[in-house]
Amino acid sequence: DQQVKQNSPSLSVQEGRISILNCDYTNSMFDYFLWYKKYPAEGPTFLISISSIKDKNEDGRFTVFLNKSAKHLSLHIVPSQPGDSAVYFCAASPNSGGYQKVTFGIGTKLQVIP
Amino acid sequence: ETGVTQTPRHLVMGMTNKKSLKCEQHLGHNAMYWYKQSAKKPLELMFVYNFKEQTENNSVPSRFSPECPNSSHLFLHLHTLQPEDSALYLCASSQVLQGDTEAFFGQGTRLTVV
Repeated sequence: DQQVKQNSPSLSVQEGRISILNCDYTNSMFDYFLWYKKYPAEGPTFLISISSIKDKNEDGRFTVFLNKSAKHLSLHIVPSQPGDSAVYFCAASPNSGGYQKVTFGIGTKLQVIP
Repeated sequence: ETGVTQTPRHLVMGMTNKKSLKCEQHLGHNAMYWYKQSAKKPLELMFVYNFKEQTENNSVPSRFSPECPNSSHLFLHLHTLQPEDSALYLCASSQVLQGDTEAFFGQGTRLTVV
């Protein structure tokens, strides 16, 4: 049973518009959430994170929203750029202070169309 | 070189072969990880080393054998693999601290077992 679910395998967005990637989790012990981006033939790179004490974290064009009651988080990219085309992984951890228990989702492939 | 480096990038091996994957991190981190990424599946954590000591082994078959000679190097020794072991193997490192942290990934080794 997947504890971190990314139900949309792919998403296409026009350049300049907003991209919204969604993630749901089932484990109520998760309290730290991360997004990774992966280009083909490269390893995942860390993008942004959020702790459960917050409901929003923003870094430039990237904003992550956390809704603990719904066990849902989303990544907003605005404006979307062609270079954002990649696979985005949502990940969650049950404890602060360690990476060992991070659980990944299956990923959503984002295509930004010029 | 900086970051996390994995060699080789691609590997084709027969089921009776013995090979090793190598990972080196130049980030001064004290924890290293092996992940497996199969098609249409989330990243699966295989092994965790904290301060060179193995702390996690997520029910990985014994045909995969990790080795961590020091905090900068990590190996994954492979022998008598099966075709279903074909996957992308990713190495990652992180600094285990009190507080949230993220891991840095290598580019991965694409393994094909024939």
